[in-house]
Amino acid sequence: DAGITQSPRHKVTETGTPVTLRCHQTENHRYMYWYRQDPGHGLRLIHYSYGVKDTDKGEVSDGYSVSRSKTEDFLLTLESATSSQTSVYFCAIRADPGTVNTEAFFGQGTRLTVV
Amino acid sequence: LAKTTQPISMDSYEGQEVNITCSHNNIATNDYITWYQQFPSQGPRFIIQGYKTKVTNEVASLFIPADRKSSTLSLPRVSLSDTAVYYCLVGDMDQAGTALIFGKGTTLSVSS
Repeated sequence: DAGITQSPRHKVTETGTPVTLRCHQTENHRYMYWYRQDPGHGLRLIHYSYGVKDTDKGEVSDGYSVSRSKTEDFLLTLESATSSQTSVYFCAIRADPGTVNTEAFFGQGTRLTVV
Repeated sequence: LAKTTQPISMDSYEGQEVNITCSHNNIATNDYITWYQQFPSQGPRFIIQGYKTKVTNEVASLFIPADRKSSTLSLPRVSLSDTAVYYCLVGDMDQAGTALIFGKGTTLSVSS
């Protein structure tokens, strides 16, 4: 399995509190992604990164921010958590474009509950 | 990125061949077609990728017609363990900054 770790795996937080989820990789891959998954909505892209300090918005970025200060870590922050952000969050990594293996590898997911 | 359309759900029985078709009418010249599989409580995992004609690996086959406006993922002799959600993605995997958009996928249910 690709070296990708999400933390925490489970978290319960209160509405209005800030929350940070961490994605850590040991593959030195350039691309990192954050998704959320909810019943009936499939997998939706929140933000992604194509290098250190290079990030871009995805399909559902409102209420989320990200940071990537080093290759191995991609942080997702909910500045003020709301109940609508209760979800399962997945991180993914992908190798540089032009390499043979352009498939994405996913972490185990973080189940976040906002009460 | 090219928009994709695939059935929301499919049912099958063990031992049957399952074909899941994905439509991507506005696929671009440099776009590849990639399929992922997701089991409950797990992240998606790569199954197969192709550009044209047919690609086969130990898990599945991918058929792409000449106009590339659709593609079909074929799973031979499915088992209960093939019950999962299958996603079709279309995009230029060599382009810097490519976002991976998954959509809702096709939920395959295999029964005995």
